[in-house]
Amino acid sequence: DVKVTQSSRYLVKRTGEKVFLECVQDMDHENMFWYRQDPGLGLRLIYFSYDVKMKEKGDIPEGYSVSREKKERFSLILESASTNQTSMYLCASENSGGHDEQFFGPGTRLTVL
Amino acid sequence: AQKITQTQPGMFVQEKEAVTLDCTYDTSDPSYGLFWYKQPSSGEMIFLIYQGSYDQQNATEGRYSLNFQKARKSANLVISASQLGDSAMYFCAMSRHGSSNTGKLIFGQGTTLQVKP
Repeated sequence: DVKVTQSSRYLVKRTGEKVFLECVQDMDHENMFWYRQDPGLGLRLIYFSYDVKMKEKGDIPEGYSVSREKKERFSLILESASTNQTSMYLCASENSGGHDEQFFGPGTRLTVL
Repeated sequence: AQKITQTQPGMFVQEKEAVTLDCTYDTSDPSYGLFWYKQPSSGEMIFLIYQGSYDQQNATEGRYSLNFQKARKSANLVISASQLGDSAMYFCAMSRHGSSNTGKLIFGQGTTLQVKP
């Protein structure tokens, strides 16, 4: 069964801390994505990667960076967490080509105090 | 600019009845895809159904069907014979393509559906 896993379901951090969110997929997918979900705004794309070490900014990349050293793993980094980054973070993966469904992880609910 | 709009923040439906969740989109691309996802309270996004912009027939998957009206730029989800387990948030999404040929999705705001027994 296909699977996308995220390192934590719930995370509480303090303002200014460096935060790492990890995502792993076991489907050998080329493309991986990080979204944040906020009430009334739906999901918004932060960053995506279409190959190892390749990345592109999404719609709201400010305050975030990403790393993809291996095909199966895509990390989201908050260099200095702020309270406005309190949100649900969802990772997804898909085969390249663009019309395939994206498979999502269970999400990480991050609270920044 | 590309956009997806879901105008119904919340909806109720009686168990066993059909319900339609609205979705309109805006794009100038001739090639695009439309998706519906379900998000139960557990948080995980579950893919339900896909419609390509060149598909002649409306997509169907079990109790889910997509009412695709290209001229009106609408892609409504119809759930037949609602079940209590259908209570969830539903998102409409559209794929967009850029130089990297990834299906980057743009999502609507979501509609919360509650099925009453």
